[in-house]
Amino acid sequence: TQLLEQSPQFLSIQEGENLTVYCNSSSVFSSLQWYRQEPGEGPVLLVTVVTGGEVKKLKRLTFQFGDARKDSSLHITAAQPGDTGLYLCAGVRLRTNAGKSTFGDGTTLTVKP
Amino acid sequence: DAGITQSPRHKVTETGTPVTLRCHQTENHRYMYWYRQDPGHGLRLIHYSYGVKDTDKGEVSDGYSVSRSKTEDFLLTLESATSSQTSVYFCAISSLAQVSEAFFGQGTRLTVV
Repeated sequence: TQLLEQSPQFLSIQEGENLTVYCNSSSVFSSLQWYRQEPGEGPVLLVTVVTGGEVKKLKRLTFQFGDARKDSSLHITAAQPGDTGLYLCAGVRLRTNAGKSTFGDGTTLTVKP
Repeated sequence: DAGITQSPRHKVTETGTPVTLRCHQTENHRYMYWYRQDPGHGLRLIHYSYGVKDTDKGEVSDGYSVSRSKTEDFLLTLESATSSQTSVYFCAISSLAQVSEAFFGQGTRLTVV
């Protein structure tokens, strides 16, 4: 059973559309991170959310941490072709051994011009 | 960009041979990780280190060993490579355990034939 479930697995949209990607779990996390990965490269950290209910904005990207710290969402407004990539959520469960971060399987986003 | 270098970037090896992948960092971060990434499985933790000579197993550690004799170097060894170990391997570093914001290397593509 995957600890962090991401949905959808694949998403293909036109430039200018909005989208939301979800990261869900039955476990409580001390923090959650969102990464973006391009082909042939390692994941790059976008944001960390720590407090339940927290909302962070990064230009057209809005990240939210659920009140119970079990889920998170990533919303992209007016998507652009440069947003294309694999989006991964990751986190450390509460009271887990230090450093053991878990990753979701990712959402592959394609934004068509 | 965080100073993290993986070597080699690509390797083809035969079944049954030993293989060592190297991760070198210049950030003096305490935590270092080895992940593998396979289609449909996202990033899975193999081993991690929380200090010199301090290592622990991740979720897919069978067939792998690690060593960390210096802060800056973390080695991943496949004692006897198998075809199931064909994958892309990523090293990551982090300075914070519970928040676990990680910086990734560019990956090593390993093919076992």
